[in-house]
Amino acid sequence: DGGITQSPKYLFRKEGQNVTLSCEQNLNHDAMYWYRQDPGQGLRLIYYSQIVNDFQKGDIAEGYSVSREKKESFPLTVTSAQKNPTAFYLCASSIDRGGYQETQYFGPGTRLLVL
Amino acid sequence: GQQLNQSPQSMFIQEGEDVSMNCTSSSIFNTWLWYKQEPGEGPVLLIALYKAGELTSNGRLTAQFGITRKDSFLNISASIPSDVGIYFCAGQFPGAGSYQLTFGKGTKLSVIP
Repeated sequence: DGGITQSPKYLFRKEGQNVTLSCEQNLNHDAMYWYRQDPGQGLRLIYYSQIVNDFQKGDIAEGYSVSREKKESFPLTVTSAQKNPTAFYLCASSIDRGGYQETQYFGPGTRLLVL
Repeated sequence: GQQLNQSPQSMFIQEGEDVSMNCTSSSIFNTWLWYKQEPGEGPVLLIALYKAGELTSNGRLTAQFGITRKDSFLNISASIPSDVGIYFCAGQFPGAGSYQLTFGKGTKLSVIP
């Protein structure tokens, strides 16, 4: 089945610890995205990548880092610099239409909790 | 930055009733998307709209891209209990290399059997 997978479903972070969230897609999509969702809020963009080995900051990139070494994979690291990391993290992907008519498809999400 | 105003924030309806929700913006959009999210899951795409005035259906769901390009609505007919969830609108603003979607804050739908 084609789709987007995220792991783990739940992740616990200790103070001062970096954690990495996995996102894999087998849709052959060029572009991938990371969003953060807080209760009662819309989705906010953290980072996005249009092509392998390239990525751009979104609206709330501080305290996060990403890499795009393979087309299928776009892991997100939540660093210790992110002071309020507890949230639901969503990965998405889309076909690259040159930034036009971007229909994004989402993974099932990872819930990050700080201990 | 650009903002989307989605309303209502929440709705309680009787099973079998029709539902209407909408999104508005002060800026124009290239694309309107409607998603449904269930608790603990990622949003699932319901309908994508790409042209002003476009009216698209997906089963009991119907959505329209406003003629001014500044609004969109989603209707659900004859609601059933599995329609429960949060419905998000999302829009893409014009602009070269614009990959970003802006999301509304969602409409939480509760269906009373």
